[in-house]
Amino acid sequence: NAGVTQTPKFQVLKTGQSMTLQCAQDMNHNSMYWYRQDPGMGLRLIYYSASEGTTDKGEVPNGYNVSRLNKREFSLRLESAAPSQTSVYFCASSEVVGRLAKNIQYFGAGTRLSVL
Amino acid sequence: GQSLEQPSEVTAVEGAIVQINCTYQTSGFYGLSWYQQHDGGAPTFLSYNALDGLEETGRFSSFLSRSDSYGYLLLQELQMKDSASYFCAVRGASGGGADGLTFGKGTHLIIQP
Repeated sequence: NAGVTQTPKFQVLKTGQSMTLQCAQDMNHNSMYWYRQDPGMGLRLIYYSASEGTTDKGEVPNGYNVSRLNKREFSLRLESAAPSQTSVYFCASSEVVGRLAKNIQYFGAGTRLSVL
Repeated sequence: GQSLEQPSEVTAVEGAIVQINCTYQTSGFYGLSWYQQHDGGAPTFLSYNALDGLEETGRFSSFLSRSDSYGYLLLQELQMKDSASYFCAVRGASGGGADGLTFGKGTHLIIQP
């Protein structure tokens, strides 16, 4: 049971470099998300995708772009990395269950990114 | 906007009961969730309340009062493995089922032998 898989697990970038964080899920979920988590903070939503072909901004989208390549894959791109983007990035997918619309999110293991 | 408040740290003794509180302010309410995160790990889903009252899942229970914009997570028979951070979260304001979650800053639970 792979669930949500993120690559890479660790990355160090220099200011101004670009990179793409990859995420794939095998649970056939329609919705996928990217969050960032800074020390002592909860997770903050960067972007989400309700279904293949759609994306929407979350709370902290500046400096990021996303692509929902197909139902399984949702990537996050940093075009020009900045030290303020040093963080742990989590991808998640979700299912909505039952008449009360319980939204259960399943998270990947995270990508630890340092921007020097 | 949306905001959630929870204590930054709680300490309890192994075998005891602990309650972690969460108060929230939202423009629209679509349920309160709880997630557990061990150090270095990913968040995992624990519980969800859409209606007032208590939901029980094994040693964990979660309570919601919509009129008070308040909920709590109750952990019973504490074990050392329960040492983790616990986050309350609410869904986005648009009401769409796909909305991302807004999380509190988390409560670090320390279990002492």
